[in-house]
Amino acid sequence: GQNIDQPTEMTATEGAIVQINCTYQTSGFNGLFWYQQHAGEAPTFLSYNVLDGLEEKGRFSSFLSRSKGYSYLLLKELQMKDSASYLCAVRDGNYKLSFGAGTTVTVRA
Amino acid sequence: IAGITQAPTSQILAAGRRMTLRCTQDMRHNAMYWYRQDLGLGLRLIHYSNTAGTTGKGEVPDGYSVSRANTDDFPLTLASAVPSQTSVYFCASSAGTNNEQFFGPGTRLTVL
Repeated sequence: GQNIDQPTEMTATEGAIVQINCTYQTSGFNGLFWYQQHAGEAPTFLSYNVLDGLEEKGRFSSFLSRSKGYSYLLLKELQMKDSASYLCAVRDGNYKLSFGAGTTVTVRA
Repeated sequence: IAGITQAPTSQILAAGRRMTLRCTQDMRHNAMYWYRQDLGLGLRLIHYSNTAGTTGKGEVPDGYSVSRANTDDFPLTLASAVPSQTSVYFCASSAGTNNEQFFGPGTRLTVL
C-alpha cells in the first residue's frame, strides 16, 4: 500500500509564492502526479514527475526526489483563482494511483 | 466536447436500494477507474479496468461492482446501498495505465 502525507491547509497572499510538500512511502514507484481541485469540481491534472528534478510549467513547478520519497508543488505569482485543493498522487508498481488527502490553499487579497 | 460524463449529478437513496452510477468517455481511452472522495481521506480507488472486458479491485471494492462491456462505458453498481457509501464518486479514464487520468464531474450520493 501507499502512505502519502501533505499539509491540510495553507494560506498565502495574492502575488506570493507557496510550496506544498508531499512525502510518500510506496511499494514500487512509477511516477508522482499533482492535481488541482476547485471546490465542487473534478480534479484536473497539473504535473507529472517520474525522474528526480524540477519540472516547470508556467507559474507552477513540481520537484521530485525519489531517494527521499519527497515532492513539492511550487505555485508562483499567486492569483485568487489558485484557491483550491492540491492533490499529490503516487503511481505504484501496478500502475495504480494513490492520493494524499489534499492541501487546501487559500489565497488572500 | 470530448471528455467524461457521469450520471446522475446527485442522488439521495434509501438504504438497501440498488443503484447504478453511469460513466461514459468519448476519448477512446483504454483504462477507466472509479474513486470515492470523502472529507479528510482523499480519493480512494474502488474498481478499475485496464481495457474493455477486464476489471480489477482497488483499495475499497466491498459493496461495489463494475462491468466494462465496451471501451466507452464503465458503470458502477451498489447492490444494496448502506449509509457509509455516502460520498462523492468520480469516474476517470486514461489512454493507458502509464498516462495521466482525466476525471468526470462526479456524482454526489447520499444514502439514508
